[in-house]
Amino acid sequence: EAQVTQNPRYLITVTGKKLTVTCSQNMNHEYMSWYRQDPGLGLRQIYYSMNVEVTDKGDVPEGYKVSRKEKRNFPLILESPSPNQTSLYFCASSPVSSPAPYGYTFGSGTRLTVV
Amino acid sequence: GIQVEQSPPDLILQEGANSTLRCNFSDSVNNLQWFHQNPWGQLINLFYIPSGTKQNGRLSATTVATERYSLLYISSSQTTDSGVYFCAVDSYNNNDMRFGAGTRLTVKP
Repeated sequence: EAQVTQNPRYLITVTGKKLTVTCSQNMNHEYMSWYRQDPGLGLRQIYYSMNVEVTDKGDVPEGYKVSRKEKRNFPLILESPSPNQTSLYFCASSPVSSPAPYGYTFGSGTRLTVV
Repeated sequence: GIQVEQSPPDLILQEGANSTLRCNFSDSVNNLQWFHQNPWGQLINLFYIPSGTKQNGRLSATTVATERYSLLYISSSQTTDSGVYFCAVDSYNNNDMRFGAGTRLTVKP
């Protein structure tokens, strides 16, 4: 089944403890991105990648890192999480960034709480 | 950047009723999608529809790209249709899906 897989689905952590949220897609998509969703602010892009070893900042990159060593994986790294990074996170992929004839496929989301 | 506005923000229906959700966008788009976010937070892709009309069961969507709007129709609504419906667009030479604020639909039995 074609899908984007995020792990974990739920995570509670403490301030300052490094964590990684994994994202993997099995559709051979070049483009991948990370979003966070917050009440009243909607979904905002954190980082995106147009292909292996190519990453760029979105609207809200502060406090996050990403890497794209393989086409299928695009992990989101929080080096020193803070409570304001408590959010619902989504990973997405697409065959190409522009044009995108098939649309974006989203993962199931990761609900992160930083205490 | 491109602006996306959805209306209405909230909608309450009785089961069996029909509804129309609207999405206006401020620039030409390369991609437009409708999503349903279920109570568990998952974003379910309903339609990829940068132009034209599509139907899938009780749901259909129409995008008039020249007039910069899209409509999502829900017929014979069911309680399982409840949730938030998002319109998201991607403009040319951009790498970011811009989401509207969503329409929260509640279908009562």
